Amino acid sequence: GAVVSQHPSRVICKSGTSVKIECRSLDFQATTMFWYRQFPKQSLMLMATSNEGSKATYEQGVEKDKFLINHASLTLSTLTVTSAHPEDSSFYICSALPLLAGAAGGELFFGEGSRLTVL
Amino acid sequence: AQKITQTQPGMFVQEKEAVTLDCTYDTSDQSYGLFWYKQPSSGEMIFLIYQGSYDEQNATEGRYSLNFQKARKSANLVISASQLGDSAMYFCAMREGLQGAQKLVFGQGTRLTINP
Repeated sequence: GAVVSQHPSRVICKSGTSVKIECRSLDFQATTMFWYRQFPKQSLMLMATSNEGSKATYEQGVEKDKFLINHASLTLSTLTVTSAHPEDSSFYICSALPLLAGAAGGELFFGEGSRLTVL
Repeated sequence: AQKITQTQPGMFVQEKEAVTLDCTYDTSDQSYGLFWYKQPSSGEMIFLIYQGSYDEQNATEGRYSLNFQKARKSANLVISASQLGDSAMYFCAMREGLQGAQKLVFGQGTRLTINP
């Protein structure tokens, strides 16, 4: 099946630093990728929709200057958490929509997630 | 308003028994898709089953089936013959519109524990 890879899977950083998380579709091209955030024992909350070659669309309440999203190619989207603080500690998951996705379900493929801990 | 509601924070089931995980949704769209995902402790989201709003028959995938009751706006997941490996978080999700570019909205999740 289709594979989406996230890197790093775990990252620990100091408060005030920036952290970049990569989301790659390994065997398909994706014009659209989604970034989710999941706090412990909670659900996935959509942060933004990333479209190749254009600006990301952020959900209400998500700071675009803090969570920079770049979708520079059809196989890579990056999320940069700028000036990270302890409250940004969370599990970040990306998902990718294949370029040739049909109308049926199941085409949205998720990465393994990246656990960010800000000290 | 909550679009996807999962009212069971936790479920405990004996191995080999069937289990039903509840999910209700709210939408004014005629076209939508309903999904169930499994999230083990490792964190990855594993797609289980999909039901389109126009699908007349309930979706089935192996031991998973989706009990779709459109008038009641419910999309319960049924797992038959549960196994220890089924222990995980389960999320119901909805996509408004049938085209894939629409975002998924997730429910709160249900933690399923299978006892030996």
